[in-house]
Amino acid sequence: SYVLTQPPSVSVAPGKTARITCGGNNIGSKNVHWYQQKPGQAPVLVIYYDSDRPSGIPERFSGSNSGNTATLTISRVEAGDEADYYCQVWDSGGDHANYVFGTGTKVTVL
Amino acid sequence: EVHLVQSGGGLVKPGGSLRLSCAASGFTFSDFSMNWVRQAPGKGLEWVSSISSRSSYIYYADSLKGRFTISRDNAKNALFLQMNSLRADDTALYYCARDSSLCSSNSCPFDSWGQGTLVTVSS
Repeated sequence: SYVLTQPPSVSVAPGKTARITCGGNNIGSKNVHWYQQKPGQAPVLVIYYDSDRPSGIPERFSGSNSGNTATLTISRVEAGDEADYYCQVWDSGGDHANYVFGTGTKVTVL
Repeated sequence: EVHLVQSGGGLVKPGGSLRLSCAASGFTFSDFSMNWVRQAPGKGLEWVSSISSRSSYIYYADSLKGRFTISRDNAKNALFLQMNSLRADDTALYYCARDSSLCSSNSCPFDSWGQGTLVTVSS
């Protein structure tokens, strides 16, 4: 089965840039979506199709995807960005078809 | 505004069954594929199942091994998850989620989520 690996945690000072990676075999050939989840809340879509932002998501959130790594970048980090972040892909081929979520990354704002 | 209101969670003994419901409003339910995602306590997100708008395509996580059944009633704007032979490791917060209106391929982001319903499997 397809595996998406994220660093368990990322720490960043306010105003700096946080980069969250999502590693998977040839992930660059797949569409990657990113979710933000704050404690006690449902996930919120922050980036879809690698680099598109839903309406209402600040321009500080951006994404890229190439080779074996997709990256969510949060610029000018704010205290309110502290949350867990998950990547997601659709994996299909042969006799299987399923969504896969990454292992999740906790972003701590120092 | 899109609303997904979940119900049906609770405490069940190992081997038991439970049916989760997700009531949709604020959009044309029959136009959208729907999904179930779960999250064990303190753990990450795990995709459970997806169903297309007319129930033509249904997918399940391999780990479920036929114990769960997803269904929908477009006339009642409702999504369901029938869970049988429940085990302790099925204990989780279960979310229903809608495929995004921005979907342009098989890989659709989920743009609206229910509030989650807790399923606890314990004797």
